[in-house]
Amino acid sequence: GNSVTQMEGPVTLSEEAFLTINCTYTATGYPSLFWYVQYPGEGLQLLLKATKADDKGSNKGFEATYRKETTSFHLEKGSVQVSDSAVYFCALESGGSYIPTFGRGTSLIVHP
Amino acid sequence: KAGVTQTPRYLIKTRGQQVTLSCSPISGHRSVSWYQQTPGQGLQFLFEYFSETQRNKGNFPGRFSGRQFSNSRSEMNVSTLELGDSALYLCASSLGTGNPYGYTFGSGTRLTVV
Repeated sequence: GNSVTQMEGPVTLSEEAFLTINCTYTATGYPSLFWYVQYPGEGLQLLLKATKADDKGSNKGFEATYRKETTSFHLEKGSVQVSDSAVYFCALESGGSYIPTFGRGTSLIVHP
Repeated sequence: KAGVTQTPRYLIKTRGQQVTLSCSPISGHRSVSWYQQTPGQGLQFLFEYFSETQRNKGNFPGRFSGRQFSNSRSEMNVSTLELGDSALYLCASSLGTGNPYGYTFGSGTRLTVV
C-alpha cells in the first residue's frame, strides 16, 4: 500500500536559517505529491504540489522537487521566518482513489 | 471565494452521548472527506463522500457515520462517545474528479469528551 515517511520533529531553527524537511514515499503507480502546512489552531493548507517526476512545486519561498529515482519530495526554504513555525505534512495521492495518504507531520519551530 | 466551513469550532460532550459535526465545502467541490487528528495517531482518514455517496471508508468503528446532502454539505455523526474520541475533526473538500488538485481543509471541530 501507499505510505509516507517524514523526518521526526521538532525541527528547531533560528530565523534566516536554511530549512530541509525530508519526505520519502512508497506508492503504486505514479503518485501526485503534496506538502500541507498546519498553523496552530487551524486546519491544513495546501502549500505546494507536484504531479510528475522532476516537477518542482513552489510557494511562499518553499520548494520541493519530485524525485522518482529516490522516491522523495523534500521540502526546502532558503531563509525561514518566525511566522513559518507550524506543522508540515507530506502527502501523496495515487491509484485513482483521490484519498491522500499523509505522513505523521513535522513540527517546525523558528526562533527570532 | 468562501473556504471550507466547519461548525461548531469547539464541542464538549459527555461519554455515551452522540454528536453531529457539520461541514460546508467550497462551492463546486463535490468531494468531502473527514479526518480525525490526534497527537498520538496523527491524521486518520474516516470517510469520503462524493455526490451524496460514500466512496471511501477508513478503518473506524460503526459508531462513526456520515452523510452528504445534495448541496454537497456533509455531516459526521459519532454515537456513544468514548473518551478516546476526543480529537480535532477535520473536513476537507476537493473537486474529487480527474487530476489531483489537492484538498482544502476547514479549521476543524475540536471535540472533547469528558
